[in-house]
Amino acid sequence: AQSVTQLDSQVPVFEEAPVELRCNYSSSVSVYLFWYVQYPNQGLQLLLKYLSGSTLVKGINGFEAEFNKSQTSFHLRKPSVHISDTAEYFCAVSANSGNTPLVFGKGTRLSVIA
Amino acid sequence: DAGVIQSPRHEVTEMGQEVTLRCKPISGHNSLFWYRQTMMRGLELLIYFNNNVPIDDSGMPEDRFSAKMPNASFSTLKIQPSEPRDSAVYFCASSQGLWGQTQYFGPGTRLTVL
Repeated sequence: AQSVTQLDSQVPVFEEAPVELRCNYSSSVSVYLFWYVQYPNQGLQLLLKYLSGSTLVKGINGFEAEFNKSQTSFHLRKPSVHISDTAEYFCAVSANSGNTPLVFGKGTRLSVIA
Repeated sequence: DAGVIQSPRHEVTEMGQEVTLRCKPISGHNSLFWYRQTMMRGLELLIYFNNNVPIDDSGMPEDRFSAKMPNASFSTLKIQPSEPRDSAVYFCASSQGLWGQTQYFGPGTRLTVL
């Protein structure tokens, strides 16, 4: 089975500063990795995903993430955040074969301070 | 594109009552997922369907919960009888295929059981 750990439950950051949201996963097989964002009172929407190929994945809204197999990590980064990036961010993992469900982390609340 | 549609958006009911949540997936998507989100437990997968067939309902908490997908454009999640601990936000998501494919989430139904 797969599992995900999001190391920070809350991350406050000043506007225009860089941010990194950390995600580590556990799996005995190869995986697919995802980052979703949830704005207040909305459903989740996909930011980016890693299926295969280049380990640096670029997503929407200027976010990117890097798959590091040796460290079993998939950290999310943005070089300069905006107030509008304030939201909950979820890392998710699934095995890349078989009928295994998507497993979500507990989420990291990013608060951008003006 | 209308996206995933859920109804109602808010539901307040009394303990013991039957609750039915509804979901219309994105046209052309053949996989549908029901999730529950709470502060304590985060985002939990309850059940998922592929081509209208339930694949895995191991996340359904109790026999009080049931889900159906009578056709490709409609699914229901029913709780009977409801209890206060069922209070949560319930999300429906759909995708074109299973794992590795982007899941598109609806806006959620906020359920409060008094």
